[in-house]
Amino acid sequence: TQLLEQSPQFLSIQEGENLTVYCNSSSVFSSLQWYRQEPGEGPVLLVTVVTGGEVKKLKRLTFQFGDARKDSSLHITAAQTGDTGLYLCAGETSYGKLTFGQGTILTVHP
Amino acid sequence: ETGVTQTPRHLVMGMTNKKSLKCEQHLGHNAMYWYKQSAKKPLELMFVYNFKEQTENNSVPSRFSPECPNSSHLFLHLHTLQPEDSALYLCASSQVRRQNEQFFGPGTRLTVL
Repeated sequence: TQLLEQSPQFLSIQEGENLTVYCNSSSVFSSLQWYRQEPGEGPVLLVTVVTGGEVKKLKRLTFQFGDARKDSSLHITAAQTGDTGLYLCAGETSYGKLTFGQGTILTVHP
Repeated sequence: ETGVTQTPRHLVMGMTNKKSLKCEQHLGHNAMYWYKQSAKKPLELMFVYNFKEQTENNSVPSRFSPECPNSSHLFLHLHTLQPEDSALYLCASSQVRRQNEQFFGPGTRLTVL
């Protein structure tokens, strides 16, 4: 079983602060996805990273895939209250299935 | 309707009841999935259907019975559930060739009394 560990599990910050969420594994993934899930809704795909060392930016969000394709990070600059939610990373295994991390619950206070 | 829809959004049932969850995708996808989401646990893949054929059953108890009549619709039939089956049940869809990019419905919040 290929496991993904996310840290921290909980993050509570003030609006305007920066934060980083980590997703780590001992396994190599073909690709890695980040999702955000808001209360009462399903996860929404934010980004897919495929190449080792790849960096993708989505407005204030920066996603990085580790060189060895075993880990990833999500950095948010100047967090806003609308960023509040559950952030999930998911790794694509060699046989095409997704394995999910347990998630990071982010709360941004005004 | 757009995206992936699920009904009902909330369901409370007794252990002896029989109920069904419905999922419909309007994205033209040909792969559909059922996941179970419990507090403090990673999303658990339950079933996968590719072109309406089941390709994966992730050791799910037989009290959960999926049905996929076509590529746009997916059902999860429930009978004699246990309280520990209470969870958010999520449906997702994707293209078969892009199973790493899945689109999720809003989920059904199930409570088993």
